[in-house]
Amino acid sequence: SQQGEEDPQALSIQEGENATMNCSYKTSINNLQWYRQNSGRGLVHLILIRSNEREKHSGRLRVTLDTSKKSSSLLITASRAADTASYFCATAGSSILTGGGNKLTFGTGTQLKVEL
Amino acid sequence: DGGITQSPKYLFRKEGQNVTLSCEQNLNHDAMYWYRQDPGQGLRLIYYSQIVNDFQKGDIAEGYSVSREKKESFPLTVTSAQKNPTAFYLCASSGRMDQAEQFFGPGTRLTVL
Repeated sequence: SQQGEEDPQALSIQEGENATMNCSYKTSINNLQWYRQNSGRGLVHLILIRSNEREKHSGRLRVTLDTSKKSSSLLITASRAADTASYFCATAGSSILTGGGNKLTFGTGTQLKVEL
Repeated sequence: DGGITQSPKYLFRKEGQNVTLSCEQNLNHDAMYWYRQDPGQGLRLIYYSQIVNDFQKGDIAEGYSVSREKKESFPLTVTSAQKNPTAFYLCASSGRMDQAEQFFGPGTRLTVL
């Protein structure tokens, strides 16, 4: 089942502008992750935020998490044409798997287009 | 270089045939996963394995089968029982719980003719 819902579904901006994508989820989580996918390729992990964290930064990325609202946002500052891709949030449930790994539930994604 | 490989990149199959997609990792990860992605959609979990010789059904396991005989390998078989197998298939792996990030392969695009 789809846990996360990203908003907007598609976003088109000019190079240099900031891009903000939102993710809402339904059940309690252990952590929330953001991934990027270029067309026809595999996903690349961008950033992880744990349920006890409110904000995290990585380079031009800023992620916030509001567990009371069950929502997260991804901000990409000073966007570049190379940022054009689909962005997915993924949640890891609070029931920890014994042994290794995380069972992630992915949202439907935001398609970002950055124009020159 | 460490990473995950999937083969083939494109696969065509006739209706009624089984087909096996390969996934290999050299990251020494315990956990491996198979996802299906349809156009404009997110990823849906088919099967996952936390350790060798053990695997669990995901959200959409019907019509699929897997094996995990080696730590490095997690092949997925799409059987003729899968009603709508045309999709993009992605394999991923991850380490222990405190290494929660998943690493993805480049994907296999399966088309049923």
